[in-house]
Amino acid sequence: GAGVSQSPSNKVTEKGKDVELRCDPISGHTALYWYRQSLGQGLEFLIYFQGNSAPDKSGLPSDRFSAERTGGSVSTLTIQRTQQEDSAVYLCASSAREVGQPQHFGDGTRLSIL
Amino acid sequence: GNSVTQMEGPVTLSEEAFLTINCTYTATGYPSLFWYVQYPGEGLQLLLKATKADDKGSNKGFEATYRKETTSFHLEKGSVQVSDSAVYFCALSARGDTDKLIFGTGTRLQVFP
Repeated sequence: GAGVSQSPSNKVTEKGKDVELRCDPISGHTALYWYRQSLGQGLEFLIYFQGNSAPDKSGLPSDRFSAERTGGSVSTLTIQRTQQEDSAVYLCASSAREVGQPQHFGDGTRLSIL
Repeated sequence: GNSVTQMEGPVTLSEEAFLTINCTYTATGYPSLFWYVQYPGEGLQLLLKATKADDKGSNKGFEATYRKETTSFHLEKGSVQVSDSAVYFCALSARGDTDKLIFGTGTRLQVFP
C-alpha cells in the first residue's frame, strides 16, 4: 500500500500477557520509528531503526519493551508482561533518510490492558 | 535537552475567524520544524514543515514561519473552517539526533459554525 500499515488496529489484553504490534513502512523508506501516545505523557519517542545500523533504543521505557526490524522492512514492537500503564496508542512512522524529510505515520494500534 | 512548548487548548473559534497557535522550541543547532494534525478518529498527518531559518511552510491555508531569533514556529490561518477542528502538534527534529520527533503537547482546535 501507499502508507504505513499497522496491525492490529486495536488490541485488548489482560495484565501480564505479552503483546506484539506490527508495522509495515512505506516501501523504500529506510528509517522507521515507534512512538507512544498516551493521555498522561503525550507523544513519546520509543525506538528508531535506520537501515542495518544498530537501533536507537533510548526511548524505550523499560526492559519489558523490545523491537526488531527484519530485512530492513517490517518491524515488530513487543511488550512483555504488560502493565496497565502500557495502555496507549502505539504509532509507527517511516521516512526517507534525507535531512528534513517528514515522517509518515500509520493509524496506530490502540492497546488496552485490563 | 531539546523540547517544544505549545499553547494550551482547547482553542475555540467561530468559522472564518483568524487562528494562531503558538509554538516555541529549545534545541541545539538547527532543527527542522513541523506541524502535524490529528483529525478525530484519524492518524497523525503532516500539515507543513520548515527546515531552515526564515523558511515558511504552508498547506491548506495554514502557514508557519521558522523564526530562529525567537525560536518560534507559530501556526496561522486566516479563516478557519469547521473541518479544521482537530488536534495540532508542533514538533522538531534535531539533525544528528536520529531525526526522532520531539512533540509538543498538542492543541485542540474547535471551530463552530
